[in-house]
Amino acid sequence: GNSVTQMEGPVTLSEEAFLTINCTYTATGYPSLFWYVQYPGEGLQLLLKATKADDKGSNKGFEATYRKETTSFHLEKGSVQVSDSAVYFCARKANQAGTALIFGKGTTLSVSS
Amino acid sequence: EPEVTQTPSHQVTQMGQEVILRCVPISNHLYFYWYRQILGQKVEFLVSFYNNEISEKSEIFDDQFSVERPDGSNFTLKIRSTKLEDSAMYFCASSAGTGTQETQYFGPGTRLLVL
Repeated sequence: GNSVTQMEGPVTLSEEAFLTINCTYTATGYPSLFWYVQYPGEGLQLLLKATKADDKGSNKGFEATYRKETTSFHLEKGSVQVSDSAVYFCARKANQAGTALIFGKGTTLSVSS
Repeated sequence: EPEVTQTPSHQVTQMGQEVILRCVPISNHLYFYWYRQILGQKVEFLVSFYNNEISEKSEIFDDQFSVERPDGSNFTLKIRSTKLEDSAMYFCASSAGTGTQETQYFGPGTRLLVL
């Protein structure tokens, strides 16, 4: 089927810890992949994206690499801050020609000082 | 920075009533979307809209739902005869295009509660 699976949260870290949020997808072909972030009280914001295999998306210290061998797009950050506390959503295009995004369930990250 | 706005932020309605959720997409965008997220579940695609017609819709988007762009700035989702299971957060989004470089920009959502 066509789906996106991401790790269950919440993820609780101390400031400056290393972050990994796992995301895997199922698809035919190689759809564009995205990470969105939702800060409290706000809408979904695009954090980063990758449009083809082996691409690395990066933004605000976050990175994710499109790995077709493992059908994964794991989100990483070397040193999290309290301000990174949010819900993170992995997503993929439903198909190359269409417009719909398929989202994972979201992972809540809580960073304490 | 331009952003997608949605009103109201919260809506409570009785089962069987009609609701209209409103969105103002980013002004130069041409593609508009609605998604929903039932509490604790995934964000799900409902519909996309371009050039005053639906371009794509999911199985969820049945005859109970309709979308409209009543003027040059608003994009609405109407839910007729609401059901308890329609309770969810509804997100509007817009994009300039639909290619691989397309980015969908989301609003803050409307939380709908059907009693």
